[in-house]
Amino acid sequence: DADVTQTPRNRITKTGKRIMLECSQTKGHDRMYWYRQDPGLGLRLIYYSFDVKDINKGEISDGYSVSRQAQAKFSLSLESAIPNQTALYFCATSDLGGETQYFGPGTRLLVL
Amino acid sequence: SQQGEEDPQALSIQEGENATMNCSYKTSINNLQWYRQNSGRGLVHLILIRSNEREKHSGRLRVTLDTSKKSSSLLITASRAADTASYFCATDRTGANNLFFGTGTRLTVIP
Repeated sequence: DADVTQTPRNRITKTGKRIMLECSQTKGHDRMYWYRQDPGLGLRLIYYSFDVKDINKGEISDGYSVSRQAQAKFSLSLESAIPNQTALYFCATSDLGGETQYFGPGTRLLVL
Repeated sequence: SQQGEEDPQALSIQEGENATMNCSYKTSINNLQWYRQNSGRGLVHLILIRSNEREKHSGRLRVTLDTSKKSSSLLITASRAADTASYFCATDRTGANNLFFGTGTRLTVIP
């Protein structure tokens, strides 16, 4: 079984809809991250969390919110989706040392 | 803003040849990492080199780091078709709490 799972794997939604992407991990890591990937732009950090009570904005947090429900779960919400949020979204984890990150399989989101 | 920039953006080689890709960055770092991504999938960690190291090996991978030039290179020797993927460098920037990823090099190994 995968250590970092993401649901859904693919999602199509309409402009203005609220959606949630979920991430779960069984690695026992404290640190979790949300990235988006656009063609030619690499990965950009949206939010990160170092424990259940610690949430931090990343490079591109506008239009997104997160919830750390438990050590193992970190959700990303788009409050009112817009077409330029169409991208591939990745969740990642790391341990307290924070050096190596472990990625989920990604969620492909299309906003019409 | 991207911390790392990979060069070239795309590389196509024959199976058995060596592949070299480069990464440049802008600020001081604690370490630099290389990740691999198969098409549309999650990234997988390959190798980490610390700021006080100059070269590191792992199987067919060789990474060098030149902190004076703020650059790193990844060499894959005796490439295989299965090495076809995108490769990203990521920097653990001094004073920051997260990694900064470059834009990637797309490697195609032709059987």
